[in-house]
Amino acid sequence: EVQLVESGGGLVQPGGSLRLSCAASGFSISDHYMDWVRQAPGKGLEWVARSRNKPNNYATEYAASVEGRFTISRDELKNSLFLQMNSLKTEDTAVYYCTRRRAGDWTFDFWGQGTLVTVSS
Amino acid sequence: DIQLTQSPSFLSASVGDRVTVTCRPSRGVHNYLAWYQQKSGKAPKLLVYAASTLQSGVPPRFSGSGSGTEFTLTISSLQPEDFATYYCQQLNNYPLTFGGGTKVEIK
Repeated sequence: EVQLVESGGGLVQPGGSLRLSCAASGFSISDHYMDWVRQAPGKGLEWVARSRNKPNNYATEYAASVEGRFTISRDELKNSLFLQMNSLKTEDTAVYYCTRRRAGDWTFDFWGQGTLVTVSS
Repeated sequence: DIQLTQSPSFLSASVGDRVTVTCRPSRGVHNYLAWYQQKSGKAPKLLVYAASTLQSGVPPRFSGSGSGTEFTLTISSLQPEDFATYYCQQLNNYPLTFGGGTKVEIK
Protein backbone atom coordinates (compact mmCIF):
# COMPACT_ATOMS: atom_id res chain seq x y z
CA GLU A 1 0.00 0.00 0.00
CA VAL A 2 1.35 3.41 -0.97
CA GLN A 3 1.74 5.79 1.96
CA LEU A 4 3.25 9.23 2.42
CA VAL A 5 3.73 10.52 5.95
CA GLU A 6 4.88 14.08 6.53
CA SER A 7 6.50 15.40 9.69
CA GLY A 8 8.48 18.39 10.89
CA GLY A 9 5.84 21.09 10.90
CA GLY A 10 5.38 23.51 13.78
CA LEU A 11 5.54 27.09 14.94
CA VAL A 12 8.51 29.18 13.80
CA GLN A 13 9.28 32.89 13.92
CA PRO A 14 9.59 35.00 10.79
CA GLY A 15 13.09 34.64 9.36
CA GLY A 16 13.48 31.18 10.87
CA SER A 17 14.00 27.78 9.30
CA LEU A 18 12.23 24.44 9.30
CA ARG A 19 12.83 21.11 7.60
CA LEU A 20 9.89 18.98 6.54
CA SER A 21 10.20 15.25 5.95
CA CYS A 22 8.03 12.85 4.00
CA ALA A 23 8.50 9.13 4.59
CA ALA A 24 7.30 7.03 1.66
CA SER A 25 6.32 3.37 1.76
CA GLY A 26 4.82 0.91 -0.69
CA PHE A 27 6.92 2.20 -3.60
CA SER A 28 10.40 3.50 -4.37
CA ILE A 29 10.70 7.28 -4.66
CA SER A 30 13.63 6.83 -7.06
CA ASP A 31 11.08 5.82 -9.72
CA HIS A 32 8.89 8.90 -9.31
CA TYR A 33 8.83 12.65 -9.51
CA MET A 34 7.87 14.00 -6.08
CA ASP A 35 6.38 17.39 -5.21
CA TRP A 36 5.38 19.58 -2.30
CA VAL A 37 2.04 21.40 -2.42
CA ARG A 38 0.78 23.79 0.25
CA GLN A 39 -2.54 25.20 1.36
CA ALA A 40 -2.82 28.35 3.47
CA PRO A 41 -5.65 28.31 6.05
CA GLY A 42 -8.99 28.62 4.28
CA LYS A 43 -7.32 29.03 0.88
CA GLY A 44 -6.69 26.98 -2.24
CA LEU A 45 -3.82 24.76 -3.29
CA GLU A 46 -0.41 26.10 -4.32
CA TRP A 47 2.33 24.01 -5.93
CA VAL A 48 5.67 24.64 -4.17
CA ALA A 49 8.47 22.46 -5.54
CA ARG A 50 9.29 19.39 -7.62
CA SER A 51 12.09 16.82 -7.60
CA ARG A 52 12.45 14.69 -10.72
CA ASN A 53 13.33 11.01 -10.48
CA LYS A 54 16.71 9.31 -10.72
CA PRO A 55 16.70 8.85 -14.55
CA ASN A 56 16.18 12.62 -14.78
CA ASN A 57 19.02 13.44 -12.41
CA TYR A 58 16.74 14.58 -9.59
CA ALA A 59 16.31 17.99 -11.30
CA THR A 60 14.35 20.48 -9.23
CA GLU A 61 11.86 23.24 -9.94
CA TYR A 62 10.34 25.84 -7.58
CA ALA A 63 7.47 28.27 -7.41
CA ALA A 64 8.61 31.89 -7.69
CA SER A 65 7.26 32.57 -4.19
CA VAL A 66 9.79 30.17 -2.60
CA GLU A 67 12.70 30.21 -5.09
CA GLY A 68 15.98 30.84 -3.28
CA ARG A 69 14.50 30.15 0.17
CA PHE A 70 13.25 26.54 -0.08
CA THR A 71 15.20 23.46 -1.15
CA ILE A 72 13.66 20.12 -2.08
CA SER A 73 15.81 17.02 -1.71
CA ARG A 74 15.50 13.29 -1.24
CA ASP A 75 17.26 10.39 0.44
CA GLU A 76 16.80 7.27 -1.65
CA LEU A 77 18.13 4.97 1.07
CA LYS A 78 15.56 6.25 3.54
CA ASN A 79 12.95 6.48 0.77
CA SER A 80 12.19 9.98 1.98
CA LEU A 81 11.58 13.46 0.56
CA PHE A 82 12.51 16.69 2.32
CA LEU A 83 11.78 20.38 2.13
CA GLN A 84 14.27 22.73 3.75
CA MET A 85 12.57 26.07 4.35
CA ASN A 86 14.71 29.11 5.19
CA SER A 87 13.94 32.81 5.66
CA LEU A 88 10.35 31.94 6.46
CA LYS A 89 7.66 34.57 6.05
CA THR A 90 4.20 34.82 7.61
CA GLU A 91 2.73 34.10 4.17
CA ASP A 92 4.41 30.67 4.22
CA THR A 93 1.93 29.59 6.90
CA ALA A 94 0.12 26.59 5.43
CA VAL A 95 -0.45 22.87 5.51
CA TYR A 96 2.31 21.29 3.43
CA TYR A 97 1.50 18.13 1.49
CA CYS A 98 3.99 15.66 0.07
CA THR A 99 2.78 14.18 -3.24
CA ARG A 100 3.78 11.47 -5.67
CA ARG A 101 3.70 12.10 -9.42
CA ARG A 102 2.56 9.27 -11.63
CA ALA A 103 4.76 8.54 -14.63
CA GLY A 104 3.14 9.28 -17.98
CA ASP A 105 0.31 11.65 -17.13
CA TRP A 106 2.25 13.37 -14.29
CA THR A 107 -0.77 13.73 -12.06
CA PHE A 108 -0.47 13.76 -8.28
CA ASP A 109 -1.87 10.30 -7.58
CA PHE A 110 -0.98 10.03 -3.90
CA TRP A 111 -0.90 12.68 -1.18
CA GLY A 112 0.26 12.63 2.41
CA GLN A 113 -1.97 13.81 5.24
CA GLY A 114 -0.12 17.12 5.47
CA THR A 115 1.89 18.92 8.14
CA LEU A 116 1.05 22.40 9.42
CA VAL A 117 3.69 25.13 9.35
CA THR A 118 2.85 28.32 11.25
CA VAL A 119 5.13 31.34 10.83
CA SER A 120 4.36 33.88 13.52
CA SER A 121 6.06 36.02 16.12
CA ASP B 1 1.95 31.55 -15.52
CA ILE B 2 -1.23 29.80 -16.62
CA GLN B 3 -4.22 31.00 -14.58
CA LEU B 4 -7.12 28.58 -14.06
CA THR B 5 -10.53 30.16 -13.58
CA GLN B 6 -13.03 27.85 -11.95
CA SER B 7 -16.74 28.54 -11.90
CA PRO B 8 -18.80 28.68 -9.90
CA SER B 9 -16.72 29.18 -6.76
CA PHE B 10 -19.65 27.96 -4.68
CA LEU B 11 -22.74 25.96 -5.48
CA SER B 12 -25.62 24.66 -3.43
CA ALA B 13 -27.25 21.46 -4.69
CA SER B 14 -29.45 18.59 -3.58
CA VAL B 15 -28.79 14.88 -3.49
CA GLY B 16 -29.56 13.50 -6.93
CA ASP B 17 -28.80 16.75 -8.78
CA ARG B 18 -26.56 16.89 -11.82
CA VAL B 19 -23.65 19.23 -11.10
CA THR B 20 -21.16 20.78 -13.51
CA VAL B 21 -17.98 22.67 -12.64
CA THR B 22 -16.03 24.56 -15.29
CA CYS B 23 -12.30 25.27 -15.47
CA ARG B 24 -10.88 27.73 -18.00
CA PRO B 25 -7.10 28.01 -18.42
CA SER B 26 -5.71 31.37 -19.52
CA ARG B 27 -4.05 29.56 -22.42
CA GLY B 28 -4.19 26.09 -23.89
CA VAL B 29 -3.03 23.13 -21.80
CA HIS B 30 -3.83 20.37 -24.33
CA ASN B 31 -5.38 17.65 -22.15
CA TYR B 32 -2.94 18.02 -19.23
CA LEU B 33 -5.68 18.77 -16.76
CA ALA B 34 -6.69 16.96 -13.58
CA TRP B 35 -9.52 17.26 -11.09
CA TYR B 36 -9.22 16.70 -7.33
CA GLN B 37 -11.75 16.41 -4.55
CA GLN B 38 -10.93 17.72 -1.08
CA LYS B 39 -13.05 17.12 2.00
CA SER B 40 -12.69 19.29 5.07
CA GLY B 41 -9.44 18.63 6.93
CA LYS B 42 -8.28 16.00 4.44
CA ALA B 43 -5.75 15.82 1.64
CA PRO B 44 -6.98 16.21 -1.93
CA LYS B 45 -7.90 13.05 -3.82
CA LEU B 46 -7.36 12.55 -7.55
CA LEU B 47 -10.64 12.08 -9.46
CA VAL B 48 -9.89 12.65 -13.15
CA TYR B 49 -6.66 12.93 -15.12
CA ALA B 50 -5.78 13.68 -18.73
CA ALA B 51 -8.98 15.75 -18.79
CA SER B 52 -11.37 12.81 -19.09
CA THR B 53 -9.87 9.63 -17.63
CA LEU B 54 -11.41 8.47 -14.37
CA GLN B 55 -8.91 7.52 -11.67
CA SER B 56 -9.20 3.89 -10.55
CA GLY B 57 -11.80 3.46 -7.82
CA VAL B 58 -13.65 6.72 -8.53
CA PRO B 59 -17.41 6.19 -9.02
CA PRO B 60 -18.64 6.46 -12.62
CA ARG B 61 -21.04 9.29 -11.71
CA PHE B 62 -17.96 11.51 -12.02
CA SER B 63 -16.80 12.47 -15.51
CA GLY B 64 -14.45 14.97 -17.07
CA SER B 65 -14.39 16.51 -20.52
CA GLY B 66 -12.82 19.28 -22.57
CA SER B 67 -9.50 20.29 -24.06
CA GLY B 68 -7.43 23.37 -24.68
CA THR B 69 -9.03 26.21 -22.75
CA GLU B 70 -12.31 24.81 -21.43
CA PHE B 71 -12.85 21.80 -19.22
CA THR B 72 -15.73 20.48 -17.16
CA LEU B 73 -16.20 18.11 -14.26
CA THR B 74 -19.67 16.62 -14.04
CA ILE B 75 -21.31 14.67 -11.24
CA SER B 76 -24.32 12.98 -12.81
CA SER B 77 -26.23 12.35 -9.58
CA LEU B 78 -24.88 14.07 -6.48
CA GLN B 79 -24.45 11.80 -3.46
CA PRO B 80 -24.07 12.83 0.21
CA GLU B 81 -20.38 11.89 0.18
CA ASP B 82 -19.73 14.25 -2.78
CA PHE B 83 -20.15 17.42 -0.75
CA ALA B 84 -16.61 18.80 -0.86
CA THR B 85 -14.38 21.30 -2.63
CA TYR B 86 -13.20 20.50 -6.15
CA TYR B 87 -10.01 21.81 -7.76
CA CYS B 88 -8.73 21.66 -11.31
CA GLN B 89 -4.97 21.59 -12.00
CA GLN B 90 -2.96 22.09 -15.16
CA LEU B 91 0.19 20.04 -15.71
CA ASN B 92 1.18 21.44 -19.10
CA ASN B 93 3.54 24.20 -17.93
CA TYR B 94 5.58 25.16 -14.87
CA PRO B 95 4.67 26.54 -12.50
CA LEU B 96 1.91 23.99 -12.09
CA THR B 97 -1.25 25.81 -11.11
CA PHE B 98 -4.59 25.03 -9.50
CA GLY B 99 -7.97 26.62 -9.93
CA GLY B 100 -9.45 28.55 -7.02
CA GLY B 101 -11.80 25.72 -6.08
CA THR B 102 -15.55 25.05 -6.19
CA LYS B 103 -17.24 24.31 -2.90
CA VAL B 104 -20.29 22.07 -3.27
CA GLU B 105 -22.69 22.33 -0.36
CA ILE B 106 -26.02 20.76 0.53
CA LYS B 107 -29.08 22.80 -0.42
